[in-house]
Amino acid sequence: SQKIEQNSEALNIQEGKTATLTCNYTNYSPAYLQWYRQDPGRGPVFLLLIRENEKEKRKERLKVTFDTTLKQSLFHITASQPADSATYLCALAATTDSWGKLQFGAGTQVVVTP
Amino acid sequence: GAGVSQSPSNKVTEKGKDVELRCDPISGHTALYWYRQSLGQGLEFLIYFQGNSAPDKSGLPSDRFSAERTGGSVSTLTIQRTQQEDSAVYLCASSLSLGENYGYTFGSGTRLTVV
Repeated sequence: SQKIEQNSEALNIQEGKTATLTCNYTNYSPAYLQWYRQDPGRGPVFLLLIRENEKEKRKERLKVTFDTTLKQSLFHITASQPADSATYLCALAATTDSWGKLQFGAGTQVVVTP
Repeated sequence: GAGVSQSPSNKVTEKGKDVELRCDPISGHTALYWYRQSLGQGLEFLIYFQGNSAPDKSGLPSDRFSAERTGGSVSTLTIQRTQQEDSAVYLCASSLSLGENYGYTFGSGTRLTVV
């Protein structure tokens, strides 16, 4: 069966350090992968999209990698700040004809302490 | 509007009653999606609409669930004869179009509690 796995254990990190989150998937051949941030009581907020033919994408302090051989994406927050504390979700579409059906992982909570 | 608007933000209903949840997408966004999120769980796809095409209803969990989108804008998700397992946060999202270039913009959700 298809699965998207994110570390369910919260990631506690000190301000200024780099947080690295993992998203592993099985039985998908995704056309692309997206990362979202979700704060309590709010809907997810889109952060970054990376396509299957891209190895790395950056946006400000965020970096995403995509390894289709390992079936894994890594999400990095550099120089982390307390305001980065949230749950981060990865999402992917199985094929180009199912773009409307983004499947989401359960998310990893990040806690950045001053 | 500036964002995706959902109403009500909270709904408590008795088991067996019908409920309607409303979503107002960003103006000009042709694609609209419904997901639900149970406590501590990931988002579960329910249905999406793209322009005038027939909606993809493959994620609706039972025939008690239905959704429509009028005039390519506002959408209503209806749950008939609600059950306790329907309790969740129902999230609506929209995007400029369907496809890889477009991230979703989500509303804040409707928290449904069936008692």
